[in-house]
Amino acid sequence: AQSVTQLGSHVSVSEGALVLLRCNYSSSVPPYLFWYVQYPNQGLQLLLKYTSAATLVKGINGFEAEFKKSETSFHLTKPSAHMSDAAEYFCAVRSPGYALNFGKGTSLLVTP
Amino acid sequence: GAGVSQSPSNKVTEKGKDVELRCDPISGHTALYWYRQSLGQGLEFLIYFQGNSAPDKSGLPSDRFSAERTGGSVSTLTIQRTQQEDSAVYLCASSLFLESEELFFGSGTQLSVL
Repeated sequence: AQSVTQLGSHVSVSEGALVLLRCNYSSSVPPYLFWYVQYPNQGLQLLLKYTSAATLVKGINGFEAEFKKSETSFHLTKPSAHMSDAAEYFCAVRSPGYALNFGKGTSLLVTP
Repeated sequence: GAGVSQSPSNKVTEKGKDVELRCDPISGHTALYWYRQSLGQGLEFLIYFQGNSAPDKSGLPSDRFSAERTGGSVSTLTIQRTQQEDSAVYLCASSLFLESEELFFGSGTQLSVL
């Protein structure tokens, strides 16, 4: 089965600083990879997705992620953090059974 | 409705009682998914439906858990003889087709078993 590992359950950055959330995947076949965001008391929302097209994927709210096959990584970045970016971020991979397999999540804290 | 709707939003029950959680997917979405979100455990896949059929039930934690979907729309997740370890947020999602890339999530049901 395919799986993802998110490094760091909590990440804290200053407003305006670079955001880097790490995700590594395990897959025996080319994967589809996703980043979802969950704001407090809300459902999950798709940030961006990789589906074997361009390796650098741009998403909403200024986020982007790069698929690196050699490193089996799909890290999420944003050049400049805003206070509104504080949320839980989940990396996910599509399994052969069509269900998304999620990582354990990374909580992003943005400080003034 | 415009999005995936789950009810109730919060449920408190006593150990040993049965509970039913409801999910109304986006109209026209053929695929429906149930996940469980526990603190520090991320999202755990439970089951998915293609139409009214659930081809893979291996994600259900135990035989106390069951789910059904009727009319290709509403789905119910039932937990019998609840245990304290069942306490979690149960999330439902739907997608237009099983092969669709994006899942749309509801806000979840917070289940607390006392």
